[in-house]
Amino acid sequence: DADVTQTPRNRITKTGKRIMLECSQTKGHDRMYWYRQDPGLGLRLIYYSFDVKDINKGEISDGYSVSRQAQAKFSLSLESAIPNQTALYFCATSEGTGKYFGPGTRLTVT
Amino acid sequence: AQSVTQLDSHVSVSEGTPVLLRCNYSSSYSPSLFWYVQHPNKGLQLLLKYTSAATLVKGINGFEAEFKKSETSFHLTKPSAHMSDAAEYFCVVSDNGSSNTGKLIFGQGTTLQVKP
Repeated sequence: DADVTQTPRNRITKTGKRIMLECSQTKGHDRMYWYRQDPGLGLRLIYYSFDVKDINKGEISDGYSVSRQAQAKFSLSLESAIPNQTALYFCATSEGTGKYFGPGTRLTVT
Repeated sequence: AQSVTQLDSHVSVSEGTPVLLRCNYSSSYSPSLFWYVQHPNKGLQLLLKYTSAATLVKGINGFEAEFKKSETSFHLTKPSAHMSDAAEYFCVVSDNGSSNTGKLIFGQGTTLQVKP
């Protein structure tokens, strides 16, 4: 079984809709991250969490919110989706220098 | 502040010839550096990492990278390219500063094309 899973893997939604992307991990790591990938820009950090009570904004948090429901779960929400949020979204966990990425969620906002 | 620059957005090589993907970094602290590979429609896979041990780091699939502090570089090499190496490659630096958040800072990516 995969260490880091993301659901859904693909999603098409309309402008103005609320959408939640979910991430679960079985590594037992405290640190979890959400990144988005856009062509030519690499991956950029949206939010990160050091534990259930510690949530921090990344470099591009506007328009997003997160929830750390448990050590193993970290959800990313788009309260009112807009087309420039169309991207590939990755969840990651880490402990020390080890970094583990989920398979990604491809989100399209029309 | 930390940053990473991948000097080539696109590299094309013939199968069986050497691969060189260039990366320069900027860091106020002793950095941790990584190379990740992303095949089309796939997630990110760690190729190798440098964490202040040996400066020449060997990774999976025959790749290696050398940390050169004087040149602030961490170039990725492979002696002989294989068709299956065609993918996008990311050079990444980790925040090891006083905050030690573990955040990864990604380069823009280099697309490797391997011609038969």
